[in-house]
Amino acid sequence: DAGVIQSPRHEVTEMGQEVTLRCKPISGHNSLFWYRQTMMRGLELLIYFNNNVPIDDSGMPEDRFSAKMPNASFSTLKIQPSEPRDSAVYFCASRGTGGANTGELFFGEGSRLTVL
Amino acid sequence: AQSVTQLDSHVSVSEGTPVLLRCNYSSSYSPSLFWYVQHPNKGLQLLLKYTSAATLVKGINGFEAEFKKSETSFHLTKPSAHMSDAAEYFCVVSEPSGGYNKLIFGAGTRLAVHP
Repeated sequence: DAGVIQSPRHEVTEMGQEVTLRCKPISGHNSLFWYRQTMMRGLELLIYFNNNVPIDDSGMPEDRFSAKMPNASFSTLKIQPSEPRDSAVYFCASRGTGGANTGELFFGEGSRLTVL
Repeated sequence: AQSVTQLDSHVSVSEGTPVLLRCNYSSSYSPSLFWYVQHPNKGLQLLLKYTSAATLVKGINGFEAEFKKSETSFHLTKPSAHMSDAAEYFCVVSEPSGGYNKLIFGAGTRLAVHP
């Protein structure tokens, strides 16, 4: 099992540019989560998908952020336009049906975003 | 709403000595509780979980945690620290929210292990 795969691992961009982060969940998992991690705010849930449908997007900071899950094996998180305060590590995590009541998430290694 | 408080932001121990990472939670339900570990530049990995079965839970790498309802605590322990245990540890509570179980993460405790 390859685990949750995220790309890119590192992204440096300039303020105002569009950023797209990608995630491939573990095959067979039906839940997908996007988290953001910063020193100041710790781990924050941005959005949760179940069976490709967004269930909880209350953590999405503002309209500049959008997330899609066009199929069970792929999700994107887009920031447009990016701002320096978006600099963080963005994690994607997936969960299978067996984990629905136990909370076990499988995390990718993260995408470190730096906005200059 | 449920919440979780990790009482120490940093813990430093010597190799071979015991580890104690403290976590308190607040919950109006019978909670599910977890510890996750994050090594540098890596994603989070589940260490152990409590889901209303045995109150003493054993996890990977020799870690264990005890659920104490009377103290609303779920402290993580290990008898003997190893250099490879140096990482950040997150205590997590699961909260029913909008039809699914939302995970609430603590702020994390950074564990340093010295030779």
